[in-house]
Amino acid sequence: AQRVTQPEKLLSVFKGAPVELKCNYSYSGSPELFWYVQYSRQRLQLLLRHISRESIKGFTADLNKGETSFHLKKPFAQEEDSAMYYCALKRGYSTLTFGKGTMLLVSP
Amino acid sequence: DVKVTQSSRYLVKRTGEKVFLECVQDMDHENMFWYRQDPGLGLRLIYFSYDVKMKEKGDIPEGYSVSREKKERFSLILESASTNQTSMYLCASSSHTGELFFGEGSRLTVL
Repeated sequence: AQRVTQPEKLLSVFKGAPVELKCNYSYSGSPELFWYVQYSRQRLQLLLRHISRESIKGFTADLNKGETSFHLKKPFAQEEDSAMYYCALKRGYSTLTFGKGTMLLVSP
Repeated sequence: DVKVTQSSRYLVKRTGEKVFLECVQDMDHENMFWYRQDPGLGLRLIYFSYDVKMKEKGDIPEGYSVSREKKERFSLILESASTNQTSMYLCASSSHTGELFFGEGSRLTVL
């Protein structure tokens, strides 16, 4: 069965510190993975997808099939990065299975 | 920009009432979805639709039904609301790329 695991409910860092939000998945086929973000009082939106291999707002994520991971990283956190982050795995009919989310808090 | 609009931002209903949550998208997307979002549980898929009059059960369909009479509109129905259906409900649509575009959410409280 498809499953997405985000082991941390809350990650708290200081501004300028590196950030890594962990995501592990289980999927029998070729995975397609995404990171979605929800800022306070805003709708959930796509941050990045592994297929595009792009960096958005300084965030990157590399798919590691050996470790079945898709961790989200940023070398220097900013206060405006504080948000709820969800890792998601695509399954049939364009449906996504989401993890439980990690709240990132960046303190000044 | 893709716009997904949910008709009600906040609703308060009583146990046993019938509840309709409406969602409209303006980008001619084939696929539409209803998720519920709960703290500590993330997003869970209730129902989805990949075409007009087509519907598929998601992971937690019990207690819910849906209607898709027009391509742009996808409705979630709670036939008899219960307190455990108190939640934030998110509607989304997607095209063939798979990216989901979400509405702002409807926060339902069942008393």
